[in-house]
Amino acid sequence: GNSVTQMEGPVTLSEEAFLTINCTYTATGYPSLFWYVQYPGEGLQLLLKATKADDKGSNKGFEATYRKETTSFHLEKGSVQVSDSAVYFCALRGNAGGTSYGKLTFGQGTILTVHP
Amino acid sequence: DTAVSQTPKYLVTQMGNDKSIKCEQNLGHDTMYWYKQDSKKFLKIMFSYNNKELIINETVPNRFSPKSPDKAHLNLHINSLELGDSAVYFCASSHAGEGETQYFGPGTRLLVL
Repeated sequence: GNSVTQMEGPVTLSEEAFLTINCTYTATGYPSLFWYVQYPGEGLQLLLKATKADDKGSNKGFEATYRKETTSFHLEKGSVQVSDSAVYFCALRGNAGGTSYGKLTFGQGTILTVHP
Repeated sequence: DTAVSQTPKYLVTQMGNDKSIKCEQNLGHDTMYWYKQDSKKFLKIMFSYNNKELIINETVPNRFSPKSPDKAHLNLHINSLELGDSAVYFCASSHAGEGETQYFGPGTRLLVL
């Protein structure tokens, strides 16, 4: 079945530091890949997505590139802010025809804390 | 202008009780989902409905029964609640199609005592 592995957290950074959160996946076919963010006490919000190989998703200064050769979708941001403190989830959605079609399979989440 | 809403936001109840969580979306989506988030933040699909038909049922105990009265609503009824049911339950919705984004509700925090 499909699976997603994220780097273990928690991650603690100072403001303006560079952020990388690694994400690798196992899936059949060509899944779509997502990063969701969960702020304290809230639901999940889509941060960015990519639906085919070599696509780059970007939003709010965050970027991730769909790398089929390394089955990865690492999240990066050049300069983090205190307001970026949250839990980040990498997820994949199986493609049509597979038994995993439709559902999101999530990584375990990475807690990010940014200090002033 | 809420996109995906859930009620209640918090639910505290005793073991053995029966409870329901309601979900509504006003995005015009045809597919809705229930996810469970455990105390370690891990998220797992429970159910998915497309046009009121069940399409995903992920080895969830049959004490959990989803009901979709129409495309905009997906409710979750839980019978005989157990301590291990304590979690945050998220409803989500999307169009059916590869690459479609799922939009999540704010979650229902269930605590079983």
